[in-house]
Formats: sequence, C-alpha cells, structure tokens
Amino acid sequence: AQKVTQAQTEISVVEKEDVTLDCVYETRDTTYYLFWYKQPPSGELVFLIRRNSFDEQNEISGRYSWNFQKSTSSFNFTITASQVVDSAVYFCALRGTNAGNMLTFGGGTRLMVKP
Amino acid sequence: DSGVTQTPKHLITATGQRVTLRCSPRSGDLSVYWYQQSLDQGLQFLIQYYNGEERAKGNILERFSAQQFPDLHSELNLSSLELGDSALYFCASSVLGAGEAFFGQGTRLTVV
Repeated sequence: AQKVTQAQTEISVVEKEDVTLDCVYETRDTTYYLFWYKQPPSGELVFLIRRNSFDEQNEISGRYSWNFQKSTSSFNFTITASQVVDSAVYFCALRGTNAGNMLTFGGGTRLMVKP
Repeated sequence: DSGVTQTPKHLITATGQRVTLRCSPRSGDLSVYWYQQSLDQGLQFLIQYYNGEERAKGNILERFSAQQFPDLHSELNLSSLELGDSALYFCASSVLGAGEAFFGQGTRLTVV
C-alpha cells in the first residue's frame, strides 16, 4: 500500500519569509513518481512539479524549490520570499507503477501568508 | 487552464437523487481519473479509465459508476445520493504512464 504524510496541517508566515512544506511517503514500488499540487481558494488543483524515483536532483523554479531525498523518503517543498498569493493548500502526491497510475495524496498543508 | 473541462461547476440536489458529472480530458490524453475531495476523507481516488476501458478502481461506492466514451470524455454517475456524498469531484487526465495528471476545476456537489 502507498501512503503520503504531510504532518503540517497548517502553517502561517509573514510575507517574505521562507517556508518549507514537508512530505514523507511510503511505497514498495521501485519506480514511482512524486508530485506537488497547489489548491488556491478558488478550488482548482494546479500541478507544480513531478519527480521520478531515479532522479534525486533538487529542482528550483523561481521562488520554488524541491528537495527529494530517497534515503528518508521525503520530498519537501520550499517557497522562498513567500507572497500573499502563495496562500493555498498544498498537496504532495505519489504515483506508483503497479495496479494503475492513480495518485495517492497526502492530507495537504494549508499555507497562510500574511502581509 | 489545465485543458481538462468539467461540467457543471456546481450542483445542488436532494437526497435520493441521481446526478451525472461530465469530464472532457486534455487533447491526446487517453487516461481519465475521478477523485473525490471531502473534508473528512481528503482527496481520494475513485476510478480510472484508459481508452474506454476501466483500468483501476479505488474507494468508489457501489452507488457510483463511471464510463468513458469513444470520444474519450467521461461521465461519473452518482445515484441514491446521501448527505455524505457532498464533496468536490475532480476529473484528471494524463498520458498513461509517467505523465503528469492535470485536473479539471472540479464539480462541487451539495446534497441537501
């Protein structure tokens, strides 16, 4: 069975602070994919990044960066110099390679960025 | 815009009724997924179709069913609705395999 844990249910920061959202996963698949999605107050799910299990290189996209560590089964997401528009619920998700390609989601972390 | 279209955006219906949610995947995507997002269960996978065939089933109730048509659009049918079925229902599509799953804007179902 697959499992994704986002231990932080809610985080509140002041604008311009850096913030890291934690994600820990469990899977028996040797090949798998990890994702982050953003759900703003309007409700849609916006794809942010996909990482496959063979690629542990960290990635940076503007103010966003991701740290994938297979040894600790973690895929953490950092927002640098947070902005009010970053306020949303962020979901980490896992897709295995057996029995379909569905996503298993974590419970989400609600990020509130105050001006 | 993800390219995945869901209709309707909002739906209010009474207990015991039946509704149909519709999803048009991104152009070229053969795989369609349905997810339910509720306050107590979070985001849960319901069912997946690939090129018209059911491929995987998750925590989908027997009162719920889905299908994918030859033009690749999909419908999720929810019957004998209960208050607890109130949720946000998402459709997603992807190229089968490692492709990203792109989500529609969701259908917010309220059962009263």
